Amino acid sequence: GAVVSQHPSRVICKSGTSVKIECRSLDFQATTMFWYRQFPKKSLMLMATSNEGSKATYEQGVEKDKFLINHASLTLSTLTVTSAHPEDSSFYICSARDNPNTGELFFGEGSRLTVL
Amino acid sequence: ILNVEQSPQSLHVQEGDSTNFTCSFPSSNFYALHWYRWETAKSPEALFVMTLNGDEKKKGRISATLNTKEGYSYLYIKGSQPEDSATYLCAIDNYGQNFVFGPGTRLSVLP
Repeated sequence: GAVVSQHPSRVICKSGTSVKIECRSLDFQATTMFWYRQFPKKSLMLMATSNEGSKATYEQGVEKDKFLINHASLTLSTLTVTSAHPEDSSFYICSARDNPNTGELFFGEGSRLTVL
Repeated sequence: ILNVEQSPQSLHVQEGDSTNFTCSFPSSNFYALHWYRWETAKSPEALFVMTLNGDEKKKGRISATLNTKEGYSYLYIKGSQPEDSATYLCAIDNYGQNFVFGPGTRLSVLP
């Protein structure tokens, strides 16, 4: 199957700093990538849909100024958590389809963010 | 699709036991239902995709069924092995717009 790589897998930062997480499709081009957040014992919650060459589409309740998404190429999307606070501590995971309209979602390994 | 439920939240079985768990959804207005296996420290791995009522898929000791009329899908594992220990996620493919995930069932197979 297709491969999606995400890093860093773990990051610890101080309050007020910004953290960038990268998501790469290694063997296919992804015009769309998805960013999810998982709270303990909860479902993967879609945060935003990243669109290559255009603005991301954010889900209701997700602050676009807090979670900056950039999808500058067909193989790379980045999520930047700006001015991070302890409540931003969570598990973030990206995914992409190898077929734009149907097909499987392929996931990165996820990133565990801890904000001190 | 507002909510995808999975039950149980977690379970422990002995090696060799067979087990099953449920994914339920309030509406059948979706393109496909997916099952994923998610092992710790790895990416979720696709197991099955089902689109039609009555679909059944099988991969080795694992199989799944879909009942869109009654709003559920079952995942079965026959003769569980320790390597089956993982979180099993189901997700509804909302016509290519997004996936809606259930909270997962965490399976532990004890040797």
